[in-house]
Amino acid sequence: QITLKESGPTLVKPTQTLTLTCSFSGFSLSTSGVGVGWIRQPPGKAPEWLALIYWDDDKRYSPSLKSRLTITKDTSKNQVVLTMTNMDPVDTATYYCAHLTGSFADYWGQGTLVTVSS
Amino acid sequence: EIVMTQSPATLSVSPGERATLSCRASQSVGSHLGWYQQKPGQAPRLLIFGASARATGIPARFSGSGSGTEFTLTISSLQSEDFAVYYCQQYNDWPIFTFGPGTIVDIK
Repeated sequence: QITLKESGPTLVKPTQTLTLTCSFSGFSLSTSGVGVGWIRQPPGKAPEWLALIYWDDDKRYSPSLKSRLTITKDTSKNQVVLTMTNMDPVDTATYYCAHLTGSFADYWGQGTLVTVSS
Repeated sequence: EIVMTQSPATLSVSPGERATLSCRASQSVGSHLGWYQQKPGQAPRLLIFGASARATGIPARFSGSGSGTEFTLTISSLQSEDFAVYYCQQYNDWPIFTFGPGTIVDIK
């Protein structure tokens, strides 16, 4: 079965760079049509897509955050890494990774809460 | 960027009743529309994709309809476990997808 799990720091300081890792099982990111995406959800608000990467290394970024985001994959390790630079308190949110079949997210990780505070 | 809106913001329903949730896109997304359910402390769960196809394991009381800019999620007979927040999300518009603000379905 498909599972995903996010890992990374729970607390970062303003201006620091956040690095999150999505470790997954039950699928391969070398399979045609498969992707992994990152979504965040500030407390009490709707989810927001950040970035996604497909099996062929096609990468997409939120236009409003593109300058701060980098998404990469390590197919051999079954991992996807998201980095976000210049963190700010408004970036406090639960960060999820999700499996994409084509263009929709059908399996999600449990999420990890990241707080940005000095 | 395509903007998604949902109505109502909150829907109060009694168990066993029918619930109808609406989602509108600022421009056509074809049938590239999904519905998600989220309960407190949990990740969103995919209910519907392709505007009307139920995801694996989703009960038949959940149904989706619509295309273009107007979409509906119907829960035919609300069960206690269905009280949650529901989000629509378009996945038609590159480079990124967008969620609606959500509809809270709570107990009347």
